[in-house]
Amino acid sequence: GNSVTQMEGPVTLSEEAFLTINCTYTATGYPSLFWYVQYPGEGLQLLLKATKADDKGSNKGFEATYRKETTSFHLEKGSVQVSDSAVYFCALRNSGYALNFGKGTSLLVTP
Amino acid sequence: NAGVMQNPRHLVRRRGQEARLRCSPMKGHSHVYWYRQLPEEGLKFMVYLQKENIIDESGMPKERFSAEFPKEGPSILRIQQVVRGDSAAYFCASSPPATGRDEQYFGPGTRLTVT
Repeated sequence: GNSVTQMEGPVTLSEEAFLTINCTYTATGYPSLFWYVQYPGEGLQLLLKATKADDKGSNKGFEATYRKETTSFHLEKGSVQVSDSAVYFCALRNSGYALNFGKGTSLLVTP
Repeated sequence: NAGVMQNPRHLVRRRGQEARLRCSPMKGHSHVYWYRQLPEEGLKFMVYLQKENIIDESGMPKERFSAEFPKEGPSILRIQQVVRGDSAAYFCASSPPATGRDEQYFGPGTRLTVT
């Protein structure tokens, strides 16, 4: 079946540090891959997505590249800000309607 | 353009009572999805509905849970005779017909606590 594994949190970084949140997936075929972000008290927001191998999704300084050979979709940002503190979810969608989510990684950025 | 609305945001029920969770999709969206997030878990798909139709309910527990999306009004997720294990955050998402399933926009969730 389809599944997503992402690194355990919480992740604590100082402002302007480099961020990597690892995400690997298991799926048959060619799923679409997503990163969602959830700020405190809010719903999930789509951060970026990639629909085929070697695609790079990017938004607000965040990037992730769809690596089929390593079944990975790691999230990166070169310089985090306090306002990036949130929970980040990696997800995939295969042939059906459902999004399959990882457990989420909490990020705390300190000044 | 208002986002996906869910109410109530917090709901407390005693064991055996009924819980009704409401979801109003974004304007122009006719597809609704419900997900459940148990403590320390990722979101799990429950059901996908279009107006007046259940398209996929493969993630719904077989008993006590039901969902509807009437022609008029919000989508409702109904849980009868709640048990402690139903305590979770329930998220609704919607998408427009044109982009289909990839672009799902989420509401803030309803946090259900069963005492």
